[in-house]
Amino acid sequence: NAGVTQTPKFQVLKTGQSMTLQCAQDMNHEYMSWYRQDPGMGLRLIHYSVGAGITDQGEVPNGYNVSRSTTEDFPLRLLSAAPSQTSVYFCASNPEGNTGELFFGEGSRLTVL
Amino acid sequence: QKEVEQDPGPLSVPEGAIVSLNCTYSNSAFQYFMWYRQYSRKGPELLMYTYSSGNKEDGRFTAQVDKSSKYISLFIRDSQPSDSATYLCAMTTYSGAGSYQLTFGKGTKLSVIP
Repeated sequence: NAGVTQTPKFQVLKTGQSMTLQCAQDMNHEYMSWYRQDPGMGLRLIHYSVGAGITDQGEVPNGYNVSRSTTEDFPLRLLSAAPSQTSVYFCASNPEGNTGELFFGEGSRLTVL
Repeated sequence: QKEVEQDPGPLSVPEGAIVSLNCTYSNSAFQYFMWYRQYSRKGPELLMYTYSSGNKEDGRFTAQVDKSSKYISLFIRDSQPSDSATYLCAMTTYSGAGSYQLTFGKGTKLSVIP
């Protein structure tokens, strides 16, 4: 059972480039979310989804797009990378939205030069 | 003031010590309270969650919630070097339309010295 799988694990981009961080889960969870983790800032919610076809913004959505065409996949797109988007990105899924029992991926470390 | 406050540490203790990690919060609407453990360069993993005030035990770990004081704690008994990690508290609140949002503390970095 793989759980939550994120790719790539590491990525270096130049300012203005675009890319997609992939996230897939095999636990049939309805809820999925993307967080970024920065030193001194903790985990901050970027976007989340309560099911296929439904997405919503979190605390820091600017500069990111998401879509949820299947239950399993929840990709995060950076439209035009900026140095402020240098961070570690975590995808998470949970079976129930209210308990906060999240299952996290291993993280994707992104550096924007 | 952020809704969830957590001392970032770092906290360094000798092996076998009892560790106390704490968070305070300001939002009375928080419903579930969680503790996550995050090893270096890994994703957070859920340690414990609780809904009501009081204590919940799981092996060497005890989670305590005091809703009247808006204070939660995680106690680790007989701490081991393998407990060295960052511990994040987290709380959920209803955000409308059937969905809930999770608010994290910034995490406390713990080192257990052999």
